[in-house]
Amino acid sequence: GAVVSQHPSWVICKSGTSVKIECRSLDFQATTMFWYRQFPKQSLMLMATSNEGSKATYEQGVEKDKFLINHASLTLSTLTVTSAHPEDSSFYICSARDGRRYGYTFGSGTRLTVV
Amino acid sequence: KQEVTQIPAALSVPEGENLVLNCSFTDSAIYNLQWFRQDPGKGLTSLLLIQSSQREQTSGRLNASLDKSSGRSTLYIAASQPGDSATYLCAVNPNTDKLIFGTGTRLQVFP
Repeated sequence: GAVVSQHPSWVICKSGTSVKIECRSLDFQATTMFWYRQFPKQSLMLMATSNEGSKATYEQGVEKDKFLINHASLTLSTLTVTSAHPEDSSFYICSARDGRRYGYTFGSGTRLTVV
Repeated sequence: KQEVTQIPAALSVPEGENLVLNCSFTDSAIYNLQWFRQDPGKGLTSLLLIQSSQREQTSGRLNASLDKSSGRSTLYIAASQPGDSATYLCAVNPNTDKLIFGTGTRLQVFP
């Protein structure tokens, strides 16, 4: 089945630094990728949708300059949290959709802690 | 605006019980509905995908039904096991490529 690899699984960074999270589709071409944020004991909140070769579409309330998304190839999307602050600490999950399939495959998530 | 609600929010049962998890959505114009499992600190694992034209899907001890007109889906877990303990999320695809997630049901199955 479809596999999405997400790295790193956890990261601790200092306030003010930037952190990059990678999401790769291993056995299919991901025409569309999604980035979610999840707070403890809450459901997933969609942050942005990215299509290969074009700019990401951000959900209302998500800062484009803080959460930079790049989807330069059909197998790789990255989320960069710029100038991270403690309030950015959260669980980030990516998802990919193969243009030929109907379901969505999710990465294993990244726990970001900003100290 | 599509809203997805799951009931109950939490459930604790002894091993062996048959379970029903509920998911309701406010707008019946959906493309499909998907059930996921999430273990603590992990990503989501897809369990079942039901297209809007389908009534149910089965995989092992899991059975999911869909009543689009009434905005409801149920996930039935037969003969529950401690390994089934996780959070279960339903998500609808409203023809826009974006999944809208429910609030989740935290399930604990104790021996």
